[in-house]
Amino acid sequence: ETGVTQTPRHLVMGMTNKKSLKCEQHLGHNAMYWYKQSAKKPLELMFVYSLEERVENNSVPSRFSPECPNSSHLFLHLHTLQPEDSALYLCASSQESSGLETQYFGPGTRLLVL
Amino acid sequence: AQSVTQPDIHITVSEGASLELRCNYSYGATPYLFWYVQSPGQGLQLLLKYFSGDTLVQGIKGFEAEFKRSQSSFNLRKPSVHWSDAAEYFCAVAPNDYKLSFGAGTTVTVRA
Repeated sequence: ETGVTQTPRHLVMGMTNKKSLKCEQHLGHNAMYWYKQSAKKPLELMFVYSLEERVENNSVPSRFSPECPNSSHLFLHLHTLQPEDSALYLCASSQESSGLETQYFGPGTRLLVL
Repeated sequence: AQSVTQPDIHITVSEGASLELRCNYSYGATPYLFWYVQSPGQGLQLLLKYFSGDTLVQGIKGFEAEFKRSQSSFNLRKPSVHWSDAAEYFCAVAPNDYKLSFGAGTTVTVRA
């Protein structure tokens, strides 16, 4: 498998549930990203990891908890979410965490919080 | 404040016609500039990027973009659209690092 993959592709959860989103990149990259894409709003950068260390936490509520166990995998743990957290969550990776590097995106996880 | 504006929310174009999507940015200096495309159910794919040099940039799928410093613009063009070009297009800028700022996107519909 190539590129950036995300699972699950769709997720429905209640506000009291705990779930996790998974991202895997097969490109040998060192940086990984989580973005939130809400309807008719610009993509919002949530977290950035470089060499498995978090280098950016963009004022994201603590109900979102990222984890990067190695350079190929990135998780987003979700708990006690709100309906306004419903969105498409996109994972991306790049060779390094610099603006010169192209970010490659996965297909996203469509999340619905009831 | 730094910002990226895509003035057109939705554009409808006939197959075979030309397409131009507008992007304006507000930054203190010339940032890195990108255009991404998102097909339904897919992630974002990079079409082209501008860092420096020639202000007319060629990308994939027959797209090109022109950087105009005087207008703080980076408009995307394609001479003849195909039905497969129906998608959402995002302009993005990065000051000098990974922190991409995206516009709200332009949805392109292609009619037969």
